[in-house]
Amino acid sequence: AQSVTQLGSHVSVSEGALVLLRCNYSSSVPPYLFWYVQYPNQGLQLLLKYTSAATLVKGINGFEAEFKKSETSFHLTKPSAHMSDAAEYFCAVRSNSGNTPLVFGKGTRLSVIA
Amino acid sequence: DTGVSQDPRHKITKRGQNVTFRCDPISEHNRLYWYRQTLGQGPEFLTYFQNEAQLEKSRLLSDRFSAERPKGSFSTLEIQRTEQGDSAMYLCASSPDSLAGGRAQYFGPGTRLLVL
Repeated sequence: AQSVTQLGSHVSVSEGALVLLRCNYSSSVPPYLFWYVQYPNQGLQLLLKYTSAATLVKGINGFEAEFKKSETSFHLTKPSAHMSDAAEYFCAVRSNSGNTPLVFGKGTRLSVIA
Repeated sequence: DTGVSQDPRHKITKRGQNVTFRCDPISEHNRLYWYRQTLGQGPEFLTYFQNEAQLEKSRLLSDRFSAERPKGSFSTLEIQRTEQGDSAMYLCASSPDSLAGGRAQYFGPGTRLLVL
C-alpha cells in the first residue's frame, strides 16, 4: 500500500524567496511520484513526475523535485517564488506497475507575499 | 490537443435527486479515472476504466454510485438518491496505456456538486 504525507498544510513565502514544499511517501514497491498544482475552483495540473529515471526532475513553471530513496522524500522546490505560484499543491504516489490509482497527500497551500 | 473536459462544471441539487456527470478524456488515452475531492483534502480514488472495462472500484463507491464508459470514450458518473455528504468536487482524469510516462494522469476541471 502507498501513502503520502505532506508536511505543512500552509506555507507562506515572500515573492522572490525559495519555495520548499515537503512530501514523504510510503510504498512497499518502487514508486512513481507526482506533483500537481490546483488553482481555486479548477482541476489539477501536472507539474512534474518521477518515473525511476533521473532522480532530479524538472517540471513546468520553474519547479523541480528530487527523489531521495534513503529519505523516502520527493520535496518540491522553486528558487524564486512568483505571485502566480499561489495555489494548492498535491504530492501523489502510485506503484511502478502503473496499475494502481494515485494516492494523494492532503495538500499544501502556498501563499506568496508581495 | 484538447484536454480532459467535464460537464457540468457546477451542479446544485436537492437531497434525494439523481445526478449524472460526464467526462471526455484526452482522445488517445485508454484509461479513465474518477476521483472525489472534499474541502481541504486531496482527491480520493473512486473508480477507473481501461477502455470500456471498469477494472477497479474503491470502497468509497457505494451502491448509489455507478460509472460507465460504454464505448471506451466518454464516461458518466451517476449518483442516485443524493445525500448532503455527496457534496464535493468530482474529478475525472485520463492516462495513456504506455508506462513510458509513468501513466501520468491528466485531470479535467471538475464538477462541483452541492446537495441541499
